Amino acid sequence: AQSVTQLGSHVSVSEGALVLLRCNYSSSVPPYLFWYVQYPNQGLQLLLKYTSAATLVKGINGFEAEFKKSETSFHLTKPSAHMSDAAEYFCAVSVSPTAGNQFYFGTGTSLTVIP
Amino acid sequence: AAGVIQSPRHLIKEKRETATLKCYPIPRHDTVYWYQQGPGQDPQFLISFYEKMQSDKGSIPDRFSAQQFSDYHSELNMSSLELGDSALYFCASRGQGSYEQYFGPGTRLTVT
Repeated sequence: AQSVTQLGSHVSVSEGALVLLRCNYSSSVPPYLFWYVQYPNQGLQLLLKYTSAATLVKGINGFEAEFKKSETSFHLTKPSAHMSDAAEYFCAVSVSPTAGNQFYFGTGTSLTVIP
Repeated sequence: AAGVIQSPRHLIKEKRETATLKCYPIPRHDTVYWYQQGPGQDPQFLISFYEKMQSDKGSIPDRFSAQQFSDYHSELNMSSLELGDSALYFCASRGQGSYEQYFGPGTRLTVT
């Protein structure tokens, strides 16, 4: 079975500070991992993905994440927070890109950026 | 670039009514997924289709049904609506050989 745990349902950082959103996964097989961002009243936008290639993955808007198998983690980071980063962030796991394979989402982390 | 289209964007229904949500995947995407996101919740997988056949089933109530048509668009049919069905319903599509799912803007269903 696959699952995702996001530690911290709410994270607040000052503008310009480091952003760290935590994601730990559970998977019986090598996982594919994703981070999505959701702005108010909008759909989910892909930030970045890990698909068994490089363990350090760079995404859009200056975000990156590192896959650590030993820690079963895929934490999302950004060196300097911007006001526009305020949103809900979801980590998701999939065990295979094959047809129909679903995503399992974490419960989300709401990021607040303080000016 | 073309994105996933969902219609309607907003829908208000009364209890026990029916609703039909539509999803138009990105061109040449052959897999469609439906998710339900309740207030303050993470998206929950409902059902998926690949090449017009149901490929995976999640926590979809028996009152709901879905299908994928020959043009790859999909419809989610919801009957005997309950207050608890009020949620944001997302459709996502995936192309063959691709890892990620591309999400539509969602349909916000309110049941009164």
